[in-house]
Amino acid sequence: EAEVAQSPRYKITEKSQAVAFWCDPISGHATLYWYRQILGQGPELLVQFQDESVVDDSQLPKDRFSAERLKGVDSTLKIQPAELGDSAMYLCASSLNVGGGKDEQYFGPGTRLTVT
Amino acid sequence: AQKVTQAQTEISVVEKEDVTLDCVYETRDTTYYLFWYKQPPSGELVFLIRRNSFDEQNEISGRYSWNFQKSTSSFNFTITASQVVDSAVYFCALSIYNQGGKLIFGQGTELSVKP
Repeated sequence: EAEVAQSPRYKITEKSQAVAFWCDPISGHATLYWYRQILGQGPELLVQFQDESVVDDSQLPKDRFSAERLKGVDSTLKIQPAELGDSAMYLCASSLNVGGGKDEQYFGPGTRLTVT
Repeated sequence: AQKVTQAQTEISVVEKEDVTLDCVYETRDTTYYLFWYKQPPSGELVFLIRRNSFDEQNEISGRYSWNFQKSTSSFNFTITASQVVDSAVYFCALSIYNQGGKLIFGQGTELSVKP
């Protein structure tokens, strides 16, 4: 069964350093989402791509976070510089997006980031 | 604004007990979708069910059942005869029609099923 791949699974970094996460969605899925999940809370959307275009980055802290999906397939989320408050699980999800918002999203295993 | 509330932070039951996880949502939109996801300790969220706002039929899938009531803006999830493998964090989520598919999650309910 096809899965969403993410790497690394765990990342420890010092504050002010740069960090990057990678996501490979299920083949054929046009829509890719990055969510951040703080311990004890539900995931919150950071950025959404439709193919290679950003369709929603309203909750992305753009002074330090950036995301790209250059060929409309895999995606990279970067934080520079990392802050202590960025410690969280970063989840990638993908969907076919046949329209309307009813699509099931398939999630990857996440990257757990710890900033020291 | 849209919001999902899961008032139960943690629930602990003994195996074979029935358990209901509550979910209350807020939206002024008339067309929307409600989801339940399971997050086991491994971390990835697993899709369980989707309902649209026009379909209030309850659904049963094995030991799982869902009760959707628009009158109370609730979409509750019941596990019958719980098992240890049901231990996980369960999330209720809302998606609004034609708003790109973004999921608005509740804070989750951690279910612990003890043998």
